[in-house]
Amino acid sequence: DGGITQSPKYLFRKEGQNVTLSCEQNLNHDAMYWYRQDPGQGLRLIYYSQIVNDFQKGDIAEGYSVSREKKESFPLTVTSAQKNPTAFYLCASSIPTGTGADEQFFGPGTRLTVL
Amino acid sequence: GNSVTQMEGPVTLSEEAFLTINCTYTATGYPSLFWYVQYPGEGLQLLLKATKADDKGSNKGFEATYRKETTSFHLEKGSVQVSDSAVYFCALSDNTNAGKSTFGDGTTLTVKP
Repeated sequence: DGGITQSPKYLFRKEGQNVTLSCEQNLNHDAMYWYRQDPGQGLRLIYYSQIVNDFQKGDIAEGYSVSREKKESFPLTVTSAQKNPTAFYLCASSIPTGTGADEQFFGPGTRLTVL
Repeated sequence: GNSVTQMEGPVTLSEEAFLTINCTYTATGYPSLFWYVQYPGEGLQLLLKATKADDKGSNKGFEATYRKETTSFHLEKGSVQVSDSAVYFCALSDNTNAGKSTFGDGTTLTVKP
């Protein structure tokens, strides 16, 4: 079955440590996205990538970094510079159609708790 | 820039009640409109979409009509079930924004038996 996998589902880290969240897709989608979701709030875009070896900052990129070395993989690193990293992180992908009708496919999410 | 405004929640209904969740948007281009649903502890999944004015998206008894004149895309269902309890997100995507989507803040629906 095609889809997006995120691992792990729950992640605990000590304050001051960097942590990398995994996102893999086998949908052959060109575009991938990382969002942060806080309780009772909507989705905020962290980074996005439209093609391999290229990515752009979203609305809240400070304290995060990404790489896109392979089409199917888009890992997110939460660095110690992120002041409030505890949140639910969602990865998504889409086929950029050029028409704007770009449905996004989401992974199950990773809940990060920094102790 | 683009923006999506959803009615504030949470919304609590009894089973078999009629549901409306309001959504209005602002967009610079010609957007496609979406409703996504998020069940507890999961990612979002597409519920329905409409790509041009007057289109009606429908799925699982839910419907929404793309109204360009009122810049709205309200979600409706005639008879909700307990299993419909979830968070619903309205979103738009257009060809002026590099394929990115803009999401509303989400509306939490709880359906009681």
